[in-house]
Amino acid sequence: QSALTQPPSASGSPGQSVTISCTGTSRDVGGFNTVSWYQQHPGKAPKLMVYEVAKRPSGVPGRFSGSKSGNTASLTVSGLQPEDEADYYCSSYVGSNNFVFGTGTKVTVL
Amino acid sequence: QVQLQESGPGLVKPSETLSLTCTVSGGSISSSDYFWGWIRQPPGKGLEWIGSIYYTVNTYYNPSLLSRVTISMDTSKNQFSLKLTSVTAADTAVYYCTRGRGVYLDYWGQGTLVPVSS
Repeated sequence: QSALTQPPSASGSPGQSVTISCTGTSRDVGGFNTVSWYQQHPGKAPKLMVYEVAKRPSGVPGRFSGSKSGNTASLTVSGLQPEDEADYYCSSYVGSNNFVFGTGTKVTVL
Repeated sequence: QVQLQESGPGLVKPSETLSLTCTVSGGSISSSDYFWGWIRQPPGKGLEWIGSIYYTVNTYYNPSLLSRVTISMDTSKNQFSLKLTSVTAADTAVYYCTRGRGVYLDYWGQGTLVPVSS
């Protein structure tokens, strides 16, 4: 299974929105509504931000939202905050109880 | 609150076996609601799925690691473990243990760096 494709970087000023894409195939992203997104600050463990494409766990701010169209999923961070600066990874179920992660995107708050 | 903590040797020599244990507190690993997994991240690189184990003790592994990896669980200690054989420098990574629910990972350990070096 190949890693899902994400842009290496994205940026925005405080208060602006940034959208990160996650592109796979019909065998992963396009085949299941199972995309999740994880935020990782330097030296820390990843944290679940969105699951099953567009659901938010309790405690995750509403400015984080997910969507999917065809083989591409997206994470949008609206109203960027300084603490949103981190690496973001998408993940998708690929069948047979296996999962694959995206290549990761570094979000910079300008 | 569920907590996961990885433990194991801080250094492994090439060709040897990497062994890690994850101790879970605040919840039972025997629950049918969850699965338990291992993820790794080489320094400066992205996340890689290693494999997972379910309460039925069924295991599932990344096809690229299938021949070298074993995940097991000890319900009496509320722990699950990872063994990776014949390691090389490419296996140097931070290893995370995680709790899975459905098709996502909702709790992660803090991670442990395992260098492979002679």
